[in-house]
Amino acid sequence: DAGVIQSPRHEVTEMGQEVTLRCKPISGHNSLFWYRQTMMRGLELLIYFNNNVPIDDSGMPEDRFSAKMPNASFSTLKIQPSEPRDSAVYFCASSRDRAEQFFGPGTRLTVL
Amino acid sequence: QKEVEQNSGPLSVPEGAIASLNCTYSDRGSQSFFWYRQYSGKSPELIMFIYSNGDKEDGRFTAQLNKASQYVSLLIRDSQPSDSATYLCAVHNFNKFYFGSGTKLNVKP
Repeated sequence: DAGVIQSPRHEVTEMGQEVTLRCKPISGHNSLFWYRQTMMRGLELLIYFNNNVPIDDSGMPEDRFSAKMPNASFSTLKIQPSEPRDSAVYFCASSRDRAEQFFGPGTRLTVL
Repeated sequence: QKEVEQNSGPLSVPEGAIASLNCTYSDRGSQSFFWYRQYSGKSPELIMFIYSNGDKEDGRFTAQLNKASQYVSLLIRDSQPSDSATYLCAVHNFNKFYFGSGTKLNVKP
C-alpha cells in the first residue's frame, strides 16, 4: 500500500505569494492531520479532519492559513500571503479512527 | 506548562546498552500514548503505542505507562547505532493530540 503522499516535496517562494500544499492520505483512513515542524517550536498540530470535516483548527496560526478536505482522498493547506516566518517543514498524517498516525514525507517550505 | 514534556538530550549510550527515554504529560484524561522515531531530515515513524497501564514489549522496544504518575517511557534494549534518532512522545485525548519536542538519542559504536 502507498503511504501518505505529499506534494510538492520542496517549495521556495517569495514573501506575499500564495502557497498550496497537497496531501493524499492512506486509503481507508478517515482522519487527516496537518503539522508544522521547526527547530524552535517542534511539531505543532495545525488542523485535524475526521471524515472530511474539520474538527480542531485551533492550531492554525492566523487567517492567512486555510485547509480543506473536499473528499476522503485529498486535502490542501494554503498560505496566503506567505511570510518568511512560515518557513518550516509541513507534514500531513492520516489515521483510522484517530488512532496511530502515519506521516507523509513532508513539504519543506522556504519563504524568502 | 507544555502538555507533553521530554528531555531534549542528547542522550548518549554505548552500543549494546539499554536506552531509556522518558515523557510526562499534563492531561489526566489522556487515553492513548505513542512513541515516534524521527531520523534527521525524515518524517516521524511510529514505533510503539500503548493504551493501558503497565508494559508493552515489541522486539527490542518496551513502552511503559503509568497513568497515576502521568509518565510514559520507552526502553530500547541492545541499542544499535541505527537507533540514533530523535524520539517523539505523543499523547491523545479524544480530539486533542500533543507531541513532545523530542529526545535526541546517540548510540555510540
